Amino acid sequence: DGGITQSPKYLFRKEGQNVTLSCEQNLNHDAMYWYRQDPGQGLRLIYYSQIVNDFQKGDIAEGYSVSREKKESFPLTVTSAQKNPTAFYLCASSPNPGQTSTDTQYFGPGTRLTVL
Amino acid sequence: GQNIDQPTEMTATEGAIVQINCTYQTSGFNGLFWYQQHAGEAPTFLSYNVLDGLEEKGRFSSFLSRSKGYSYLLLKELQMKDSASYLCAVRAMTTDSWGKFQFGAGTQVVVTP
Repeated sequence: DGGITQSPKYLFRKEGQNVTLSCEQNLNHDAMYWYRQDPGQGLRLIYYSQIVNDFQKGDIAEGYSVSREKKESFPLTVTSAQKNPTAFYLCASSPNPGQTSTDTQYFGPGTRLTVL
Repeated sequence: GQNIDQPTEMTATEGAIVQINCTYQTSGFNGLFWYQQHAGEAPTFLSYNVLDGLEEKGRFSSFLSRSKGYSYLLLKELQMKDSASYLCAVRAMTTDSWGKFQFGAGTQVVVTP
């Protein structure tokens, strides 16, 4: 089945530790995105990538890093520099605008990160 | 930049109709999207408008006016399972934000018996 997978679903880490969240898609989408969602709030963009080996900062990139070495994969590292990392993290992918008529984003199931 | 505003919460009874408004300010507009998100889950795509007018999909319809920076999502024949947060999102196509999506804070719809 085609889709986006994120692992793990729940993640606990101690304060000061870096942690990497996985995101894989087999939809052959060029674009991938990472969002953060806090309770009762909308999605805020952390990083996005339109093509392999290229990515751009979103609105809240400080304390996060990403890589895009393969089309299928877009891992997010939450570093110790992120002041308040506890949140729900969502990965998404989409065709680049113009590739198809349905240019929406498809979301993975999310990873709930708790920093103790 | 982009600013997206939608109401925080709306309550309606089962079988009724609810209209969720979304206003936006953006440069390089390239489409407006509506998503449904149940608590603790990922958003799922509901509708997409890039041209002015109404798009209908079963019980859900979405309208767009680009000149007014305005959209609405209409939910008809409300069911209890429609209780969720509804997110309005705008995609930009500018040189420095090509393909970037900006989300509103979401409207929590509560359906009562």
